[in-house]
Amino acid sequence: NAGVTQTPKFQVLKTGQSMTLQCAQDMNHNSMYWYRQDPGMGLRLIYYSASEGTTDKGEVPNGYNVSRLNKREFSLRLESAAPSQTSVYFCATAGISNTGELFFGEGSRLTVL
Amino acid sequence: GENVEQHPSTLSVQEGDSAVIKCTYSDSASNYFPWYKQELGKRPQLIIDIRSNVGEKKDQRIAVTLNKTAKHFSLHITETQPEDSAVYFCAASINTGGFKTIFGAGTRLFVKA
Repeated sequence: NAGVTQTPKFQVLKTGQSMTLQCAQDMNHNSMYWYRQDPGMGLRLIYYSASEGTTDKGEVPNGYNVSRLNKREFSLRLESAAPSQTSVYFCATAGISNTGELFFGEGSRLTVL
Repeated sequence: GENVEQHPSTLSVQEGDSAVIKCTYSDSASNYFPWYKQELGKRPQLIIDIRSNVGEKKDQRIAVTLNKTAKHFSLHITETQPEDSAVYFCAASINTGGFKTIFGAGTRLFVKA
C-alpha cells in the first residue's frame, strides 16, 4: 500500500505558468485535503473534499482550483502561478470511519520564480 | 471561520524536563482536537487527539487537556528526550460531513541533551 502519493515532488515554475499537483490514495478514504506549509505559518487549508463529488474552500483558496476526479484522486491546479505560491504543498486524506485523523502525503515543493 | 492560535512558537528544554504547548480556538462547533508532530523534511503525523466530550487523555509520556468553556487545549510532554525535537502542530476540527481541520502555526521544540 502506497498510502497517499503526490506528484511531482519538486517543481520550478515561472510567474504566469500553470501546473497541476496530483494526489492519489489507496486507503479507501472519503475525504481529501490540500494544505500549503510556509515557514512560521503552519499548515493552511486550501481546499477540501468531504466526499467524491464535493469540494469546499478552505482558508486560502484564492489562486487555486481543485478537482475530485474520483474517490482516489484529488488534484490542485494553479492557473497562473505567482511567487506568493512558492510553498510546500501537502495532500491529506481522512479515514472512512471519519475519526478525523489526517494521513499526509510526502509533500510537493513548488518554487515560482 | 475557525482560527487556531498556538504558543510558544519556539520552545527549548533540557532532556528530562517537561514541555507544554498551548492552543486556543475560536469556533465552539469544533469537536475534535488532534496534535501532529513533524520531523525535519517529513510529513506531519498524528501523535495524540482528544474529542470534545473528554477533558484529558494520556498516552505514555504525552497528555492532552481540553477546556471547552475557555476554548483552549494543551499538549504536555514529560521526561523529554532528544528524539522529541520536532515541530508540533495543534488543530481544531469541525465535522461537516467530513472533518474540516484548521492548524495552529506550530511550535518548534528543541530538547537539549
